[in-house]
Parts: sequence; C-alpha cells; structure tokens
Amino acid sequence: DGGITQSPKYLFRKEGQNVTLSCEQNLNHDAMYWYRQDPGQGLRLIYYSQIVNDFQKGDIAEGYSVSREKKESFPLTVTSAQKNPTAFYLCASRRAGVNQPQHFGDGTRLSIL
Amino acid sequence: ELKVEQNPLFLSMQEGKNYTIYCNYSTTSDRLYWYRQDPGKSLESLFVLLSNGAVKQEGRLMASLDTKARLSTLHITAAVHDLSATYFCAVDTGFQKLVFGTGTRLLVSP
Repeated sequence: DGGITQSPKYLFRKEGQNVTLSCEQNLNHDAMYWYRQDPGQGLRLIYYSQIVNDFQKGDIAEGYSVSREKKESFPLTVTSAQKNPTAFYLCASRRAGVNQPQHFGDGTRLSIL
Repeated sequence: ELKVEQNPLFLSMQEGKNYTIYCNYSTTSDRLYWYRQDPGKSLESLFVLLSNGAVKQEGRLMASLDTKARLSTLHITAAVHDLSATYFCAVDTGFQKLVFGTGTRLLVSP
C-alpha cells in the first residue's frame, strides 16, 4: 500500500542533542512538507520541498534543518538551537499540480528529557 | 501575512442536531481544504474546494467556499458520535503552501 511513513512514533531528546525524524513516502509525490503541532493548536509549516535537492523555509524554520537527497525521503533534524522542541511533528506529501490535497503521515511525538 | 480563523474553537453538540463551523481567511485565495484529525492521530483529507461557490458533500458533512467573502463553512447534518474529532481548514497561499486554521474540536454526545 502506498503511504507516508514517519519514524519513530515517539522520540525523547536530551538537552543539547540533535535528533532526526524520518519521513519516507512511496506515493511518488514531488512535494514534501514538515509541520509542527502544539497541543490545541493548528499546524505550522517548518520546511517544504518541491523537488529533490531543493527546499524552502516555512514559518518557523529556526532551530530545524532538512535535506532532500531522494524524492521519497525528507528527514527533519531538530537541533539544539530549538529551545522548545516538545511537539507533534507531521510530515506530508503532495502530488504535483495545484489541485491536490496534502497527505499526512502518522506523526512523531517529540519530548524533552 | 495570511491568517486563518475558525470558529467556534470547541463545539459540543447532541446527536441528531445540525451545526456549522466557520473558516475565515484574510487574503485572496481560491483553494481551501478541510481535514479531520482524531486525537493523537494524523490528518485525513475531507474536502478540496477549488473555486468560488464550490460545494462538496460526503455523508453528513457539507463544505462550501465563498472566495469573495473569504469564508468557508463546514455544515454538519444530524450529527453522530463518529463525527467527534478536530476539524481544520487550510488555505492554499498559491505556492503549494497551506496555512491552517486553529481547528474546531467537535464533541458529539448522545
């Protein structure tokens, strides 16, 4: 079955540590996105990528980094510069063409130890 | 900066009743999406609205878009418990970027 796989489901970060969240899709979608969701809030865009080897900052990119070396993969690194990383992180992808909804993975819940 | 506001933020309703969730946005866009999220889960796409006057229906849910008023509505008809979830609208900025509303948490009780 085609879909978006995020791992791990739960992740704990120690102070000063970088952690990487994985996002893989087998939908052959061109565009991929990372969002952060805080309790009781909507989603905020961290980074997005429309093609391989290219990505753009979203609204809250500070303290995060991404790469897009392969079409199917878009990992997100939460760096130690992100002082409040506790949140639910959602990865999404979208087929090329302006009339397509974004499809979401099941999310990774990140907490500070 | 595009702002998307939903109201109400929380809605408690009885089974069998009707209600409408509103989504207002601040700048011009003619593409809007509705998503559903169950607690602790991912988002599920419900509706894609692509032009002024668009109306989509699926079961007890109906969504509409008025681009002139910068308003979308999600109407719930004869609510059932299974509709309990958080509903988000998201406005397409035109660069394949979505701006999400704050969500409406719907609780349907017997």
